[in-house]
Amino acid sequence: GENVEQHPSTLSVQEGDSAVIKCTYSDSASNYFPWYKQELGKRPQLIIDIRSNVGEKKDQRIAVTLNKTAKHFSLHITETQPEDSAVYFCAVPHQAGTALIFGKGTTLSVSS
Amino acid sequence: SQTIHQWPATLVQPVGSPLSLECTVEGTSNPNLYWYRQAAGRGLQLLFYSVGIGQISSEVPQNLSASRPQDRQFILSSKKLLLSDSGFYLCAWSQGRTSGYYNEQFFGPGTRLTVL
Repeated sequence: GENVEQHPSTLSVQEGDSAVIKCTYSDSASNYFPWYKQELGKRPQLIIDIRSNVGEKKDQRIAVTLNKTAKHFSLHITETQPEDSAVYFCAVPHQAGTALIFGKGTTLSVSS
Repeated sequence: SQTIHQWPATLVQPVGSPLSLECTVEGTSNPNLYWYRQAAGRGLQLLFYSVGIGQISSEVPQNLSASRPQDRQFILSSKKLLLSDSGFYLCAWSQGRTSGYYNEQFFGPGTRLTVL
């Protein structure tokens, strides 16, 4: 089945620095790549997604880049702020249906 | 607007007891529905998904089962809980794929289950 690897598992940065989280996937037919943010004790929420027909998408301080040849996509957060501290999950489509398969998550800590 | 509900919010159950978690969605019709489990400090594990009433796909054989008795209701059950069933259970919904494209998944508030 589909497999997605997410790195790093934890990431600590100083406020104002950039953070990058990377995911690699196995199914070359995957065509949808979302990123979810989960604050402590809360539900995951979509923060940005990209489809396979584009290589990069940006929304203010966050961006996602996609390399279909290498089968990896990355989340970029610039000018990090303490409220960016959370667990971030990447996901790829399940081979057989409409579900998403999630990476194991990256705990981002932004210290001021 | 669409809303997703889950209950109970928290649950403490003894090993070997049964389980029933409920999820309902409002404001949409024929949603795709999903159950995920998140163990402490771990990722989101897909348990079941459903594209219609009575249509359930299982990802994790274990001792859990799911049912969809109504269009916007999704139930997660177990006949006998194990210690390893402890975790944060999240229900989610999405619109079906349109023109081959995936749609955003929206998560419910979750149920925190502790099995003692």
